[in-house]
Amino acid sequence: AQSVTQLDSHVSVSEGTPVLLRCNYSSSYSPSLFWYVQHPNKGLQLLLKYTSAATLVKGINGFEAEFKKSETSFHLTKPSAHMSDAAEYFCVVTPFSGGYNKLIFGAGTRLAVHP
Amino acid sequence: GAVVSQHPSWVICKSGTSVKIECRSLDFQATTMFWYRQFPKQSLMLMATSNEGSKATYEQGVEKDKFLINHASLTLSTLTVTSAHPEDSSFYICSARTGSDNEQFFGPGTRLTVL
Repeated sequence: AQSVTQLDSHVSVSEGTPVLLRCNYSSSYSPSLFWYVQHPNKGLQLLLKYTSAATLVKGINGFEAEFKKSETSFHLTKPSAHMSDAAEYFCVVTPFSGGYNKLIFGAGTRLAVHP
Repeated sequence: GAVVSQHPSWVICKSGTSVKIECRSLDFQATTMFWYRQFPKQSLMLMATSNEGSKATYEQGVEKDKFLINHASLTLSTLTVTSAHPEDSSFYICSARTGSDNEQFFGPGTRLTVL
């Protein structure tokens, strides 16, 4: 069975400081992993995805994540937070077994960015 | 990029009435569409998967007779909440995928409030 755990429900950082949002996954297969961001009253936007290519994945808006199989982690980072980064972030896993592409969402991490 | 729209963006209805929510892929043909439900400050839970021209596949615990899904074309899927009750109040989000890629494109969501 597949599952994903986001280790922090809330993260608060100051503008210009690094961001770290933690995610651990469980999967019987070689998974695909995603990070989505949800701004209020907007649809989920894909930040980045890992699909068994390079383990360090670069996404939009300066975000990146590293797939670490030994640690079953896929943490999201950004060197310098911007006020516009404040949003809800979801780590998502899907089994890379083809066919039925069910996305399993983590509980979400709310990122607050302070001036 | 691929755009998915939902209509309406919000709806308020009386208990016992039915509400239809539309999900459209605007610039691509969606072989599969997904319907999610999101409770306040919680994650997305997959309700059902619909493939164009066939019956939807519902997740365990989701009442198929209450949440009717129709995927009549490659660009349109509808979710009808029948005989809505206050406990059906939630944020409903659709997504669509095309081809064999695992990426799903999400709509902006529909907020349903049942009085």
